[in-house]
Amino acid sequence: DVKVTQSSRYLVKRTGEKVFLECVQDMDHENMFWYRQDPGLGLRLIYFSYDVKMKEKGDIPEGYSVSREKKERFSLILESASTNQTSMYLCASSSPGVLNTEAFFGQGTRLTVV
Amino acid sequence: AQSVAQPEDQVNVAEGNPLTVKCTYSVSGNPYLFWYVQYPNRGLQFLLKYITGDNLVKGSYGFEAEFNKSQTSFHLKKPSALVSDSALYFCAVRASGGYQKVTFGTGTKLQVIP
Repeated sequence: DVKVTQSSRYLVKRTGEKVFLECVQDMDHENMFWYRQDPGLGLRLIYFSYDVKMKEKGDIPEGYSVSREKKERFSLILESASTNQTSMYLCASSSPGVLNTEAFFGQGTRLTVV
Repeated sequence: AQSVAQPEDQVNVAEGNPLTVKCTYSVSGNPYLFWYVQYPNRGLQFLLKYITGDNLVKGSYGFEAEFNKSQTSFHLKKPSALVSDSALYFCAVRASGGYQKVTFGTGTKLQVIP
């Protein structure tokens, strides 16, 4: 059974803290993604990575950075957390191939910044 | 830039009636199209996809979707709704070439009324 695992289901952090969200996939996928989900806005892409050490900005990268040192792990970093980064964060992975191109999602991390 | 529109925030349907959840898209070149479902406090689950070939694609839990190139639409359908289908549904698009960035719509809440 394929799996994308996010390190935490719920996190509460203080304004100004540096926050790390971790994601691990066991499907040997090249592509990995970080989205945030907010009511009425759907899923918005923060960053994606198509290979180790490779990354591309998504639609809302401001205030975030990412790290992909190993193929199976993709980390999202909030350099200095702010209250407007309170959200549900979803990690996903996919294959670049044509046949198996759908994304697989983790269970999500609900981050609250106080 | 690629985009997805889901014009209805919520769709209500009586149990046993057919349901349709609408989606239109914009992308350069040929699209890969997807539908995902999200149950409360969970990640997204893949339902079905269109890559190429037959315009009517069948997926999990009795859902199907019809690709219409001229109308740039990919509506989700089911002949007979179940109460357990009540959830949040997302349409997504990806270009067939280049970076495999996936763009999601804002989501449609489906409420099936017993």
